[in-house]
Amino acid sequence: DGGITQSPKYLFRKEGQNVTLSCEQNLNHDAMYWYRQDPGQGLRLIYYSQIVNDFQKGDIAEGYSVSREKKESFPLTVTSAQKNPTAFYLCASSRGRNTEAFFGQGTRLTVV
Amino acid sequence: QKEVEQNSGPLSVPEGAIASLNCTYSDRGSQSFFWYRQYSGKSPELIMFIYSNGDKEDGRFTAQLNKASQYVSLLIRDSQPSDSATYLCAVPDGGFKTIFGAGTRLFVKA
Repeated sequence: DGGITQSPKYLFRKEGQNVTLSCEQNLNHDAMYWYRQDPGQGLRLIYYSQIVNDFQKGDIAEGYSVSREKKESFPLTVTSAQKNPTAFYLCASSRGRNTEAFFGQGTRLTVV
Repeated sequence: QKEVEQNSGPLSVPEGAIASLNCTYSDRGSQSFFWYRQYSGKSPELIMFIYSNGDKEDGRFTAQLNKASQYVSLLIRDSQPSDSATYLCAVPDGGFKTIFGAGTRLFVKA
């Protein structure tokens, strides 16, 4: 079955540590996205990538980094510079402009 | 700054009633519109999309678009407790980004 796989589902991080969230898709989509969702809030765009080896900052990129070395993969690193990293992180992909997004199941990150 | 506005709710309707969810958007040039459903603790899933003015029906769901008024709505007929969720309105910005509304929480009372 085609889809988007995020791992892990739950992640705990100590303050000062970097962590990497995995996102893999087998939908053959060119575009991939990372969103952050806080309780009771909407989706905020962190980074997006239109094509392999290219990515752009979204609205809240500070403290995050990404790479897009393969079409299928778009990992997100939450660095120690991100002051409030506890949130629900969603990876998505789409075919291109003006098309719907398909979401992974999300990773819930908690700083302990 | 392009915006998508939704009433956060909660919207509470009795089982079997029609739930009406509303969304306004700021970019008059927007061409496509999406409705996602998000259950608590889960990821959003696409339930409807609409490109043309008027109504689009899919089962118990009807999307309504009025580009002149920059308004898109989602009607859920014969609401069921399983419809209780947050509904997100989403409007692509013409490029690769999508602007999401904050969502409306719907409660369907049995």
